[in-house]
Amino acid sequence: GENVEQHPSTLSVQEGDSAVIKCTYSDSASNYFPWYKQELGKRPQLIIDIRSNVGEKKDQRIAVTLNKTAKHFSLHITETQPEDSAVYFCAVTGAGSYQLTFGKGTKLSVIP
Amino acid sequence: GAGVSQTPSNKVTEKGKYVELRCDPISGHTALYWYRQSLGQGPEFLIYFQGTGAADDSGLPNDRFFAVRPEGSVSTLKIQRTERGDSAVYLCASSLTAGMGNTIYFGEGSWLTVV
Repeated sequence: GENVEQHPSTLSVQEGDSAVIKCTYSDSASNYFPWYKQELGKRPQLIIDIRSNVGEKKDQRIAVTLNKTAKHFSLHITETQPEDSAVYFCAVTGAGSYQLTFGKGTKLSVIP
Repeated sequence: GAGVSQTPSNKVTEKGKYVELRCDPISGHTALYWYRQSLGQGPEFLIYFQGTGAADDSGLPNDRFFAVRPEGSVSTLKIQRTERGDSAVYLCASSLTAGMGNTIYFGEGSWLTVV
């Protein structure tokens, strides 16, 4: 089955700096790559996603890049703010599958 | 409703007891999913419904777990003979239809503690 590795597990940045979280996956047929943000005790919320026919997608301060050859994709958050502090999960869906396979999460702390 | 609704939000039960967790998806969403999230981990897939039928139950850990969606809307996850290892947050999610590109919306989860 699909295997998703996410790094780092924790990340602390100063307010205003950038944060980068990286995920690698094992199934080369995977074709959908969402990122979820989860605050403590709350539901995971989709913040951005990318499909396999696109290399990069940006939404204001958030961007995701995909390298299908290397089987990795990354979340980039610029100009971080304290409200960006949360756990971020990457996920992957394979071709013909409706299952999301999640990484183990990255706890991001933005220090004011 | 405005979002995916799950009840109960918290459940404490004794080992060996039977538990039911309910999920009310976003109105009009035909696809419904159950995931389980243990502390410090990402959600793990359990089962997926398209309409009334379980299209993929490959994530259910054993035959103590069962889920239904009799009318294609509300779903119930049923756990028999609960064990301490079943303690986790059970997340329900829904999407307009199944398939890539359909945003999956999660509920707040049902926190199950087996003592």
